[in-house]
Amino acid sequence: GQNIDQPTEMTATEGAIVQINCTYQTSGFNGLFWYQQHAGEAPTFLSYNVLDGLEEKGRFSSFLSRSKGYSYLLLKELQMKDSASYLCAVRATGGFKTIFGAGTRLFVKA
Amino acid sequence: NAGVMQNPRHLVRRRGQEARLRCSPMKGHSHVYWYRQLPEEGLKFMVYLQKENIIDESGMPKERFSAEFPKEGPSILRIQQVVRGDSAAYFCASSPSQDRVGGYTFGSGTRLTVV
Repeated sequence: GQNIDQPTEMTATEGAIVQINCTYQTSGFNGLFWYQQHAGEAPTFLSYNVLDGLEEKGRFSSFLSRSKGYSYLLLKELQMKDSASYLCAVRATGGFKTIFGAGTRLFVKA
Repeated sequence: NAGVMQNPRHLVRRRGQEARLRCSPMKGHSHVYWYRQLPEEGLKFMVYLQKENIIDESGMPKERFSAEFPKEGPSILRIQQVVRGDSAAYFCASSPSQDRVGGYTFGSGTRLTVV
């Protein structure tokens, strides 16, 4: 089967660093994605990992370990506008669809 | 480039009516994906289409739901005889190919409410 797990909710303080973890079990692997989704809006693409290691993009970084079926999204210098849901998604080989986790709702407090 | 366009943005239907959701992909994109999102839940894959072809419909309910992406015009997700459980946000995404590393571009979604 296909399964993607991530925490339901997290709370962090403005200016701090937060790490959102994601574990996955899929039939094959052809890339892992992180998306941000504000309430009532469409998801927007944040990052893509296909090889092990860390990908950095401004305040956001994403890490992947394929052998462990594990990824995390690291958000630095948190801002209030970072309050949103963060969706971990995996594209499996042999197919073309991307499977999404249920998302982690991040609350950033002052 | 107007991005992925979905309409209507909001749709209200009575039980038993038909709902038609439209999606125009980004210019140059020939791959369309439909996802459904229930309140407080993640995105559930429904169907993947290329022009005039359904590539993967493994997430589509077997009854009442159908999708098409004709040679001309937008992709259509059709839900016949809607029920309350069909109330959800339906998102469409497009990509130029299935190997696009930049992720999907999503439309703003259609929020379907069945009363």
